[in-house]
Formats: sequence, C-alpha cells, structure tokens
Amino acid sequence: ILNVEQSPQSLHVQEGDSTNFTCSFPSSNFYALHWYRWETAKSPEALFVMTLNGDEKKKGRISATLNTKEGYSYLYIKGSQPEDSATYLCASNSNSGYALNFGKGTSLLVTP
Amino acid sequence: GAGVSQSPRYKVTKRGQDVALRCDPISGHVSLYWYRQALGQGPEFLTYFNYEAQQDKSGLPNDRFSAERPEGSISTLTIQRTEQRDSAMYRCASSILLGGLNTGELFFGEGSRLTVL
Repeated sequence: ILNVEQSPQSLHVQEGDSTNFTCSFPSSNFYALHWYRWETAKSPEALFVMTLNGDEKKKGRISATLNTKEGYSYLYIKGSQPEDSATYLCASNSNSGYALNFGKGTSLLVTP
Repeated sequence: GAGVSQSPRYKVTKRGQDVALRCDPISGHVSLYWYRQALGQGPEFLTYFNYEAQQDKSGLPNDRFSAERPEGSISTLTIQRTEQRDSAMYRCASSILLGGLNTGELFFGEGSRLTVL
C-alpha cells in the first residue's frame, strides 16, 4: 500500500482568496491519482482522476495538476467561497494492486 | 440501486460480540472496497473485491476481520469478538472494474457507524 501524504492538515481562508494544497505519493509503479471532496456528514465525492504526468484537470474554480516523476499533485481553488468548505482527500494507487490508498485530507474553511 | 447502500447505519454493540456490516454496491459496479474511517481522518483501506474474488486484504487489521462477496454483488464485512478500538465509521465504495484503461472513480456509501461499548 502506497503512503499518501497531504498538506496542510487544515486551512482557513477568507472568501475570495485563492488557495492550494499538496498531495505527495511514491512515484514508483504509479497508476492513478484521485481527488475527492468530502463535506461533513456526507460521503466523499470524486473531483478528478489523473493518470499522466503533466495532467491538468479543471472543474469550475477548482483545478489540479499532476507530477508523477516527483510524486506530487496540487489542488487549486480560485476565489474561494464558503461552499468550498470541506475536506479534500487525495488517493493514489499503483499498477501492482489497484487498491486506492487515501491521505488524511486537508480541511478547508472559507469564511465570509 | 441508485447509490451504494450500507446497513445498518448505526450499530452499538458490547465488547466481545460479533457484528456484520452489509454493503450493496451500485448495480453493474464490479469493484467493491471497504474502508474504515476514524473521526477526523481520511479513509483507511481494509480490503477490496473484483466480482466475487477478494483481490487484496492487506488492510484488514487482524484475523477478527473478514469480508466476503459470494455472488459478486452484496458484500459483508464481519468483525468477530469486537473490541472498543474497532469503533469507527466503516465505509463501502464501488466502482467500475479498475485496471487497464479504467481508473474508475469510487462512489461511497453513507457508512455504518460502529460503536463498541
């Protein structure tokens, strides 16, 4: 099982600020990198799945990049809104087993 | 079904009792995962199945934990002789078959909250 690390653990920003967080993972035998958004009292929901080095995905104000050679992914939120408040989970799997291994998440709070 | 369904939603049991948690995946999803989630933490992998075959059980913490999916659809996670440290949210997720060109996003159920007294 891969060891996935996320930073920071928590983040508090003002409405309108742009922010980003990091996910790092072992790059050997890399298969795919997933980002999930998890609101309190709900289940995690998929944001992005990326597989290729240099991949960039975008959904509205949220985007993500992937560097498989150095083993990291960034998630960016432009112009944060209070509804963006959630925990953002990163997960990775290898081509030797496919089981997704999750990081502990970055908890984002956006205040008006 | 329309989504991943888990039951029971809440289970309170006494230490030493056995519990069985059920997961009914999205129709047509052949990959099924079990995760355990402690308060304030990300999901911790336990085990997963493709169809009825258990592909990886390396995340099961000890031999009191077992899982089965006999017909490739509904899965049961069983914890024998429960201990207080087993208290957590147990989440099931399903996806299309992972592997090859399919990276398959996971669809999570609402979880079963287990409390061992």
